[in-house]
Amino acid sequence: EAGVAQSPRYKIIEKRQSVAFWCNPISGHATLYWYQQILGQGPKLLIQFQNNGVVDDSQLPKDRFSAERLKGVDSTLKIQPAKLEDSAVYLCASSLTPGSDNSPLHFGNGTRLTVT
Amino acid sequence: KQEVTQIPAALSVPEGENLVLNCSFTDSAIYNLQWFRQDPGKGLTSLLLIQSSQREQTSGRLNASLDKSSGRSTLYIAASQPGDSATYLCAVKGGNTPLVFGKGTRLSVIA
Repeated sequence: EAGVAQSPRYKIIEKRQSVAFWCNPISGHATLYWYQQILGQGPKLLIQFQNNGVVDDSQLPKDRFSAERLKGVDSTLKIQPAKLEDSAVYLCASSLTPGSDNSPLHFGNGTRLTVT
Repeated sequence: KQEVTQIPAALSVPEGENLVLNCSFTDSAIYNLQWFRQDPGKGLTSLLLIQSSQREQTSGRLNASLDKSSGRSTLYIAASQPGDSATYLCAVKGGNTPLVFGKGTRLSVIA
């Protein structure tokens, strides 16, 4: 089974620029997550989709971050404008069973963002 | 608000040792607890998932236990190998709350 695919692997931008990340979950996985992992910390959930609907975006800084999952498959996460504190690894994850709390999460390798 | 703490933050052991990683959480109303492994520059790999009704799960040389009432979990690694070197993260899933992660324990197994 192919894993969660993310691109790009690395991105360096200047503050106030915009950036977008892409994620393709495992085929058939209904639930998709975007996490932010700052160096030395555990991942923090930004947004959770179930199919193409948002389940939880309570920790998403909506003034600068946006995400969409058109057609319930691929997803993009955008930051506009970026700040220095957005430097982190952005991880996408997916899980199989909608509505189940006991499906393990499968993570992609992440996109490492550096804002200068 | 759920908080997850992992102790120690870093651990270095000689090859062949058995070791225990600790995880504690503040809210015992959880659905499950998961242990993940993260290699440098990589995403997270799920190792073990313990449902709230279970006390432990085993996979190969790994054994994870869960004590909900005391808010603790341990990950036991038997006969450690250099390939076990990685950061190990504990995460808990609550009712209507997202998965909350600890900061991880960075393990180095020295050959």
